[in-house]
Amino acid sequence: DQQVKQNSPSLSVQEGRISILNCDYTNSMFDYFLWYKKYPAEGPTFLISISSIKDKNEDGRFTVFLNKSAKHLSLHIVPSQPGDSAVYFCAASAHDGGTSYGKLTFGQGTILTVHP
Amino acid sequence: EAGVAQSPRYKIIEKRQSVAFWCNPISGHATLYWYQQILGQGPKLLIQFQNNGVVDDSQLPKDRFSAERLKGVDSTLKIQPAKLEDSAVYLCASSVTSGRATDTQYFGPGTRLTVL
Repeated sequence: DQQVKQNSPSLSVQEGRISILNCDYTNSMFDYFLWYKKYPAEGPTFLISISSIKDKNEDGRFTVFLNKSAKHLSLHIVPSQPGDSAVYFCAASAHDGGTSYGKLTFGQGTILTVHP
Repeated sequence: EAGVAQSPRYKIIEKRQSVAFWCNPISGHATLYWYQQILGQGPKLLIQFQNNGVVDDSQLPKDRFSAERLKGVDSTLKIQPAKLEDSAVYLCASSVTSGRATDTQYFGPGTRLTVL
């Protein structure tokens, strides 16, 4: 059962344009969402997160939007740069009886390629 | 600050053989995670330690996988005997405090296992 889905395996964007990466989830208990970026032969690195009490979080060129009713989140990168080319993973976490042990459920990833 | 260290980086074994992976988390990090990432999928949590105690091992195939974190610092993950479907990248991550979802997880570079 894939609780977090990234339906686009890849995305190609021109430098300077906007990149939009999408993620859908099915578990209504998820209340914290994260995006990780992964370069080849490296581990994932944390990029940005959002709590379910918000619908938007911004950090420089990166903005994450959360639509709880649609169980959908997206990552916007503006402007896109060639160095942003990487695999992007969406992840989600749920509180369990008021505590959270930090267990993350990841999507399959989207390969972003930004062309100069 | 040194990151999460993992060794070996690559391992090729025959099915039914045994293999062990080692992880040294960031100094002072209380929580340690082992993830399995199969090609084309996102990382899947296998086991989570807080200090030297197991917090979550619900997705660890306990008939063949085992993990330990002696003295609450470094950790080893063992597979015995390996199956073809164990071919994956094994990622270790650590976080500074109690394993809450809001704690950033820092990942090592991973060990790529190929089972022939």
